[in-house]
Amino acid sequence: GAVVSQHPSWVICKSGTSVKIECRSLDFQATTMFWYRQFPKQSLMLMATSNEGSKATYEQGVEKDKFLINHASLTLSTLTVTSAHPEDSSFYICSAPDRGGSDTQYFGPGTRLTVL
Amino acid sequence: GNSVTQMEGPVTLSEEAFLTINCTYTATGYPSLFWYVQYPGEGLQLLLKATKADDKGSNKGFEATYRKETTSFHLEKGSVQVSDSAVYFCARMGQGAQKLVFGQGTRLTINP
Repeated sequence: GAVVSQHPSWVICKSGTSVKIECRSLDFQATTMFWYRQFPKQSLMLMATSNEGSKATYEQGVEKDKFLINHASLTLSTLTVTSAHPEDSSFYICSAPDRGGSDTQYFGPGTRLTVL
Repeated sequence: GNSVTQMEGPVTLSEEAFLTINCTYTATGYPSLFWYVQYPGEGLQLLLKATKADDKGSNKGFEATYRKETTSFHLEKGSVQVSDSAVYFCARMGQGAQKLVFGQGTRLTINP
């Protein structure tokens, strides 16, 4: 099946710094990618839809200036957590939909962010 | 509202036991329904899905039937194995193209 990778798999940073997370579709093109956030023992919460060549669409309550999304190519979307704070610590997951017309999505393995 | 509620975990069973993980949803209309599985250290993988009422999705011995009368999509397996230990997420297609709404996940541990 299709593969989606994320980098890094985990990152620890100091409060106030910015962190970039990459999401790549390895063997297929993705004009759309999705970014989720998962809190411990909780569900995945959709943060935003990343659109290749245009602005991302953010879900209600998600700060677009805090979570910058760039989808510069058909295989790469990046999520930058700006001026990170401890409350931003979480597990961030991306996904890309199947382009064959089905409603299947392929998920990356996730990135664990810890802000000290 | 539009949400997915699934059985709280963790669930611990012995090998060869029967498994049921309950999932109910609220939605306008009849959205596609999914079960995703997350094995330790890996990303979510689609386990099975059903796209319309009364459909049964099945894979790897797991089954789930789309029940519109009870707005449910319960996951079942007749005889679980240690390798089934994972976190299971029920999901429905959300409003808008390809957006997924997830339940809270159920951690399943199978002991030998």
